Amino acid sequence: GENVEQHPSTLSVQEGDSAVIKCTYSDSASNYFPWYKQELGKGPQLIIDIRSNVGEKKDQRIAVTLNKTAKHFSLHITETQPEDSAVYFCAAGLVGQGNLIFGKGTKLSVKP
Amino acid sequence: DGGITQSPKYLFRKEGQNVTLSCEQNLNHDAMYWYRQDPGQGLRLIYYSQIVNDFQKGDIAEGYSVSREKKESFPLTVTSAQKNPTAFYLCASSVGSNYGYTFGSGTRLTVV
Repeated sequence: GENVEQHPSTLSVQEGDSAVIKCTYSDSASNYFPWYKQELGKGPQLIIDIRSNVGEKKDQRIAVTLNKTAKHFSLHITETQPEDSAVYFCAAGLVGQGNLIFGKGTKLSVKP
Repeated sequence: DGGITQSPKYLFRKEGQNVTLSCEQNLNHDAMYWYRQDPGQGLRLIYYSQIVNDFQKGDIAEGYSVSREKKESFPLTVTSAQKNPTAFYLCASSVGSNYGYTFGSGTRLTVV
């Protein structure tokens, strides 16, 4: 079955710097890769996703890149702000089948 | 407003008692999921349902039970057989399997 590894587990950056979180997956059949942001005491919220027919996707300060050959994908946050502080989860799965497999999360702290 | 509602937000139970966590969605989503979240463990799948009256075990189904009698509802029962039930429980739904999940705000269960 699918296995998702996420790194780093914690990340601290200064406000205005960029943050990068990386994930690797094991099942080459996976074709859907979402990223979720979880604030303290709340449920995760989808912030961006990418399908395997696309190599990169951007939404304002957030971007996701996918390397199918290497089976890894990354979340890039530019011009970080204190409100970006949260736990971020990556996930992988096959659209239409089964369920998503999540990484263990990255706690991002943005220092003002 | 469409969304997914989990209740209660906090739940306390004595050891040996069964307890049922509620999850309701008005998004007209076909698929629903239950995840357990423990510190440092990420999100682990308990059960999921892709259609009414059908559900599948996830990675950690032992000690839990579910039902899916209505499209809108997917309650989770934590039985006395679950050895370590204290955790944060998250319910999610999606249009179909592995499209973007919408998560509820979670139920924190404490067993004393």
